[in-house]
Amino acid sequence: GQNIDQPTEMTATEGAIVQINCTYQTSGFNGLFWYQQHAGEAPTFLSYNVLDGLEEKGRFSSFLSRSKGYSYLLLKELQMKDSASYLCAVSHFRDDKIIFGKGTRLHILP
Amino acid sequence: DVKVTQSSRYLVKRTGEKVFLECVQDMDHENMFWYRQDPGLGLRLIYFSYDVKMKEKGDIPEGYSVSREKKERFSLILESASTNQTSMYLCASSPGGGGNQPQHFGDGTRLSIL
Repeated sequence: GQNIDQPTEMTATEGAIVQINCTYQTSGFNGLFWYQQHAGEAPTFLSYNVLDGLEEKGRFSSFLSRSKGYSYLLLKELQMKDSASYLCAVSHFRDDKIIFGKGTRLHILP
Repeated sequence: DVKVTQSSRYLVKRTGEKVFLECVQDMDHENMFWYRQDPGLGLRLIYFSYDVKMKEKGDIPEGYSVSREKKERFSLILESASTNQTSMYLCASSPGGGGNQPQHFGDGTRLSIL
């Protein structure tokens, strides 16, 4: 089977740093996506990790450890507009499907 | 930029009606997907298609069917709508050639079945 776990909700302060964790158990793992979804809107692609290590993209970074089945999304210098749900999703070698976690709703306080 | 367009943002239908949700993408993507998104359950795959006239069941296909007659268009059909199909429906597309390509989503259709 496959299982993706991430916290349901998190709260952080404007200007701070927050780390959203994701653990997964799946066969045929290919890579891991992070998406951002604002309330009432479509998910938008943030990052994709296929190799171990940290990928940095502006204020957002994503980390992957294949051996541990673990990823995190790091958001720096938080802004109010970062209030959204963050979806962790895994892809497989055998097909082009992506399996999504249930998402982490991030609340930013002023 | 990839554009995935869903025909309606909001739709209200009655129990037992046949409902069509349309999705069009403009980037010549091989793959197209239909999801529903419910609070606490996340995104769940209903059906996907990797080529014209090809379709595969996702995790929750019961009560739904799909049609892909042209590469750019993927339709979701609720054969006989029921109240438990009230949900947000999201269409997505991606290039073919392996699971390392991000999916691009439409804005979603919020469907209410009365």
